[in-house]
Amino acid sequence: GAVVSQHPSRVICKSGTSVKIECRSLDFQATTMFWYRQFPKKSLMLMATSNEGSKATYEQGVEKDKFLINHASLTLSTLTVTSAHPEDSSFYICSANGLAGAHNEQFFGPGTRLTVL
Amino acid sequence: AQKVTQAQTEISVVEKEDVTLDCVYETRDTTYYLFWYKQPPSGELVFLIRRNSFDEQNEISGRYSWNFQKSTSSFNFTITASQVVDSAVYFCARSGGGADGLTFGKGTHLIIQP
Repeated sequence: GAVVSQHPSRVICKSGTSVKIECRSLDFQATTMFWYRQFPKKSLMLMATSNEGSKATYEQGVEKDKFLINHASLTLSTLTVTSAHPEDSSFYICSANGLAGAHNEQFFGPGTRLTVL
Repeated sequence: AQKVTQAQTEISVVEKEDVTLDCVYETRDTTYYLFWYKQPPSGELVFLIRRNSFDEQNEISGRYSWNFQKSTSSFNFTITASQVVDSAVYFCARSGGGADGLTFGKGTHLIIQP
């Protein structure tokens, strides 16, 4: 149980286009989902916290108009990179809060590798 | 920000050696959680362990063991009898729990040579 999927796994797009990445909790409901980005050979950085039915909370330095987050249901959060540029190329990973036994746990998706040409 | 520090950028050992990955964290919270993840070249994060701040017992799982010391704010990870398949980047992370995201260390790239 507690599986999180992401789609697409890889995407290549032209500069100036927008890209949508989906994060789904497959067998549990997640009121909170998180989006992270990871540059090559770097650590994961939290971008935003996404709560179902409300606006996302962005970390300092993350442009909310650039990275649009929608958490419309308890099993789906989407991240849209608007007007993508080469510097947005990165590995984007989502996680979803769910129960693991008696504890809240974050379950990570497999990641989406975005390349902007 | 409550940082997580992994001072070892890269460690290279020969197979069957024991290796310890260090993790030091900062926290202002009484309740917090610490994690270790493995990231193989595929990129997917593999969960290894979760520890809450009230449980300082060391843990052993097969060849893996963890040493949690609140007095030194450290949560070190030891692999005994290392194997080539252990080669990966390992991340230590902390969270305040609930709706708090994870703060990751910079990771330690572990290379196990045959």
